[in-house]
Amino acid sequence: AQKVTQAQTEISVVEKEDVTLDCVYETRDTTYYLFWYKQPPSGELVFLIRRNSFDEQNEISGRYSWNFQKSTSSFNFTITASQVVDSAVYFCALSEVTGNQFYFGTGTSLTVIP
Amino acid sequence: GAGVSQSPSNKVTEKGKDVELRCDPISGHTALYWYRQSLGQGLEFLIYFQGNSAPDKSGLPSDRFSAERTGGSVSTLTIQRTQQEDSAVYLCASSLVGDLSYEQYFGPGTRLTVT
Repeated sequence: AQKVTQAQTEISVVEKEDVTLDCVYETRDTTYYLFWYKQPPSGELVFLIRRNSFDEQNEISGRYSWNFQKSTSSFNFTITASQVVDSAVYFCALSEVTGNQFYFGTGTSLTVIP
Repeated sequence: GAGVSQSPSNKVTEKGKDVELRCDPISGHTALYWYRQSLGQGLEFLIYFQGNSAPDKSGLPSDRFSAERTGGSVSTLTIQRTQQEDSAVYLCASSLVGDLSYEQYFGPGTRLTVT
């Protein structure tokens, strides 16, 4: 079974639209961490955010916001007023500290059309 | 400051040959990770080094894969007797602390093509 599922393979939006990227995870650990990374066309992955399993507060950073819900095992990422520079592949990831493993989802390719 | 660097950036090799991929982590980072990214796939976690501890090799896809980290810094991923299914981008990352809870900084990757 997939540890991290990103059901949306590709999304296209028109500039200035809001878009939400879904991430569902599976773990039996009580202590774990969730991450989002961005991989722009240039190729290098860039860290966006980290959340630990004990902190369900939502976070906002500029046009980016994250919604962590343990009840549904989801960690969704919303971009408000999307811009062309947001075009990239976005990866959700899970680390299981006890199991010493790190899992990435298969990524969601976002295209923002000007 | 300098980020994670990897060499070579591209490698084309014939099936059956051995290849070595190199990673220079960010100075001062104790943890180093190797991933494989196949076309259209997510990142596959291969191995990670935490400080001077012996690495957990259970993620390596076969015994043809091995990795070393010398002096707690530079790492080499070696693939012996390469197969076509080894073709992928191999990514290296490092983090300040090695308990998997810290953000990782990624290098540009090595694109390996096995013909």
